[in-house]
Amino acid sequence: ETGVTQTPRHLVMGMTNKKSLKCEQHLGHNAMYWYKQSAKKPLELMFVYNFKEQTENNSVPSRFSPECPNSSHLFLHLHTLQPEDSALYLCASSQERSGGFTDTQYFGPGTRLTVL
Amino acid sequence: AQSVTQLDSHVSVSEGTPVLLRCNYSSSYSPSLFWYVQHPNKGLQLLLKYTSAATLVKGINGFEAEFKKSETSFHLTKPSAHMSDAAEYFCVVSDRADYKLSFGAGTTVTVRA
Repeated sequence: ETGVTQTPRHLVMGMTNKKSLKCEQHLGHNAMYWYKQSAKKPLELMFVYNFKEQTENNSVPSRFSPECPNSSHLFLHLHTLQPEDSALYLCASSQERSGGFTDTQYFGPGTRLTVL
Repeated sequence: AQSVTQLDSHVSVSEGTPVLLRCNYSSSYSPSLFWYVQHPNKGLQLLLKYTSAATLVKGINGFEAEFKKSETSFHLTKPSAHMSDAAEYFCVVSDRADYKLSFGAGTTVTVRA
């Protein structure tokens, strides 16, 4: 799990709090992703950054705000969340090549978020 | 558009017996296919991937999968289950036109001593 790291691993927050999730990839990749994994549901792609530019926002509510300052770091800023936002949030990275050919995505261990 | 169906939500096997996890896919393009494993409270770990080379793909920990285009299947097998194989397994397809992955709903594997 040293390829993609995520902090914190666990987070409990109230609905009025503001917190941030951090992801760092040590693989030299140029694309990074946020996924949401809820119980009994398939993984949901939230955001994609390719060469630091956001290329996908999968109809995610504005209470989730991503930030990608460079190709190695990705943040997910959280504010005024709802209890239904409780889930495992996974970060992934990959090396995107010209022509759109997608390569393997490597995942971090996730942040288990609980919203009270 | 691509999609994945994992035919079993739960598989239970005895230690030392074979494991079979079934996956069917649909894709408009020549797909890439992956199997990931997720142990409790862990992220997803890549087991193996198919990208149009050999149709029988060998992965880590003794797992392998066979791509069958005529059946649109990519079943995962292991000849002898180990207790450490207890986890959730995801079949994933990418149509290679973009970066998007489509995940199956997952198969939970339990291994009986």
